[in-house]
Amino acid sequence: SAVISQKPSRDICQRGTSLTIQCQVDSQVTMMFWYRQQPGQSLTLIATANQGSEATYESGFVIDKFPISRPNLTFSTLTVSNMSPEDSSIYLCSVLRGQGSEAFFGQGTRLTVV
Amino acid sequence: GENVEQHPSTLSVQEGDSAVIKCTYSDSASNYFPWYKQELGKRPQLIIDIRSNVGEKKDQRIAVTLNKTAKHFSLHITETQPEDSAVYFCAEWWSGGSQGNLIFGKGTKLSVKP
Repeated sequence: SAVISQKPSRDICQRGTSLTIQCQVDSQVTMMFWYRQQPGQSLTLIATANQGSEATYESGFVIDKFPISRPNLTFSTLTVSNMSPEDSSIYLCSVLRGQGSEAFFGQGTRLTVV
Repeated sequence: GENVEQHPSTLSVQEGDSAVIKCTYSDSASNYFPWYKQELGKRPQLIIDIRSNVGEKKDQRIAVTLNKTAKHFSLHITETQPEDSAVYFCAEWWSGGSQGNLIFGKGTKLSVKP
């Protein structure tokens, strides 16, 4: 398994502001993933963060709205920019272990935008 | 893009009964299929997985079967207990994107009644 520390665990933010979520892993990993999970819904991949290169965004997600940093092999941040109530969701980081495809998740960040 | 269909969306069983959740996929090249359990307010946790070189895998009360020809895989929980109540997500490791990623089903909310 993997020890993944994600913070903050929750936050209530004003619309128009930005929030940066941090994810720290207990050992080096090549890829880190950021997901969004809206209330009662499944997990939707936002982007894949690789160290030393720009993140790869999925359809419907753009860098200006969700900038990502990956300064080293154990750490990544996701920023939710210029927030609106529609951004209220749980955001999760994830890494792969085992034979390369087993995904482990951080505890999630519950974001409420008011 | 790739899509994973999961059924049913909700499932209610009596304690001690069996529960079966089924998922279908479309990319015949996919070769890794994990199942995640997410309890209320917690992160998804890997409970079992199967690779395409086997047809069935079992771990105590949980089993997963894979039919590559029909492109479907199923989660079987026997002798259900109240603590099995959670949302279960199937997933498929899809290599069709730039780097590969997990595609999740929409989830099944399992309720085990004592």
